[in-house]
Amino acid sequence: GAVVSQHPSRVICKSGTSVKIECRSLDFQATTMFWYRQFPKQSLMLMATSNEGSKATYEQGVEKDKFLINHASLTLSTLTVTSAHPEDSSFYICSAGLAGVSDTQYFGPGTRLTVL
Amino acid sequence: AQKVTQAQTEISVVEKEDVTLDCVYETRDTTYYLFWYKQPPSGELVFLIRRNSFDEQNEISGRYSWNFQKSTSSFNFTITASQVVDSAVYFCALSAFGGGANSKLTFGKGITLSVRP
Repeated sequence: GAVVSQHPSRVICKSGTSVKIECRSLDFQATTMFWYRQFPKQSLMLMATSNEGSKATYEQGVEKDKFLINHASLTLSTLTVTSAHPEDSSFYICSAGLAGVSDTQYFGPGTRLTVL
Repeated sequence: AQKVTQAQTEISVVEKEDVTLDCVYETRDTTYYLFWYKQPPSGELVFLIRRNSFDEQNEISGRYSWNFQKSTSSFNFTITASQVVDSAVYFCALSAFGGGANSKLTFGKGITLSVRP
């Protein structure tokens, strides 16, 4: 139980294009999902908190117009990197919160984005 | 403000050795959660344990054990008889009590564990 998927696992795109990453909780509903970014050999950096049916809450320094987050259902959140540039290349990981007894975040396998 | 410190950055051991990963935290909350996650080379974070702050009982799960010491604000993780498959980055994290699913996690910087055959 508590499986989270991400799609795609890897994406390579040209500078200036937009990329959409999906995060799905496969066997539970998640009111809250989180998006993280991780640079090589570093810890996870929280980008935003996504709540179903409402606007995402972005961390300080994260451009909300560049990183669009939509949480349209209790099992799906999407992150769109708009007008991607090489500096946006990174490993993006989502997590979904399983409430109740578990009260724990479960993480997806991550998406490796490379912008050429 | 919450803070998690994992002072060890890299640890290398030979298979079958025991290894302890340290985690020290700071929080002003009286109740909170502590977590350990494992990130193997594939990249996915795997949940290992969640500990409530009011439960100081140590926990053992197979070769894994956790020692929670509220007096020293530490939540250390020991792997007994390490195996090559234990090679990964291990993160300690902290959240508000009751907010494990819906609140921010404060992560440490992670400890890279390498287990050599």
